[in-house]
Amino acid sequence: DQQVKQNSPSLSVQEGRISILNCDYTNSMFDYFLWYKKYPAEGPTFLISISSIKDKNEDGRFTVFLNKSAKHLSLHIVPSQPGDSAVYFCAASISNNAGNMLTFGGGTRLMVKP
Amino acid sequence: DGGITQSPKYLFRKEGQNVTLSCEQNLNHDAMYWYRQDPGQGLRLIYYSQIVNDFQKGDIAEGYSVSREKKESFPLTVTSAQKNPTAFYLCASSTSGQGIAKNIQYFGAGTRLSVL
Repeated sequence: DQQVKQNSPSLSVQEGRISILNCDYTNSMFDYFLWYKKYPAEGPTFLISISSIKDKNEDGRFTVFLNKSAKHLSLHIVPSQPGDSAVYFCAASISNNAGNMLTFGGGTRLMVKP
Repeated sequence: DGGITQSPKYLFRKEGQNVTLSCEQNLNHDAMYWYRQDPGQGLRLIYYSQIVNDFQKGDIAEGYSVSREKKESFPLTVTSAQKNPTAFYLCASSTSGQGIAKNIQYFGAGTRLSVL
C-alpha cells in the first residue's frame, strides 16, 4: 500500500515556463514533507521542505504548496531551466516518530527543453 | 568537507557470494539508513540505525544484514539469500533528537550492484 504517490512518471516543460510536480499521500499522520532532486547515478539531494502547519514554503525558484484537506502537495519551479532536468521525489515523515523515517513516492522525471 | 561516502561505486556479485557495501559519514549524524532503488521506482528502506550498536529492519530487510559498530560507519551486506540483488543502493544519514532538522536525510552517491 503506497502511502506516498507521484502519479505522473514524467513531465516535459519548455525552458522558462513553470514546472508543477504533484504528490499525494494517504497517511494523515504525516506532518513533514520534503522534495528531493536526483540525477542519474547520483544520490538524491534535498531541495525544499514544508511542515504541516504551513501551506506554502518558498526558496528562490522553488515553491512547495501543501493542501492538507486534499492530502496533496506540489512543487512549483519557476522559471524552469534545463539544469532542472532530473527525477524529483517527494517524501513524508511523522515528526514525532522516533525513527526519523521517510516514506518516498515513486518519482517524477522532469525534462526541461531548451 | 562533510558528507557521506559510499564505496565502491560499482560492484559485481557472483552467485552464492556475499558482498558488502561501505557507507561512511563525517556529519556527526546519529541516524543512518540504507535504501534500495530499482529502475523507475522510488526508494525502499532496507535497514536503519538511530544509534551505535542498534539497528532496525525496514520494509525489505530480507537477504540483507548491517552492523553499526561506529557512529561514522554503517556497512550493508547483501547475502546470497537475496535472490534479486541488482539495484542501486543508497545510504543516508540524519540528525536525531527534536526539531524538524531530523526529518532531513542526506544521501551518498550510491553503489550500483549487478549480478554476474
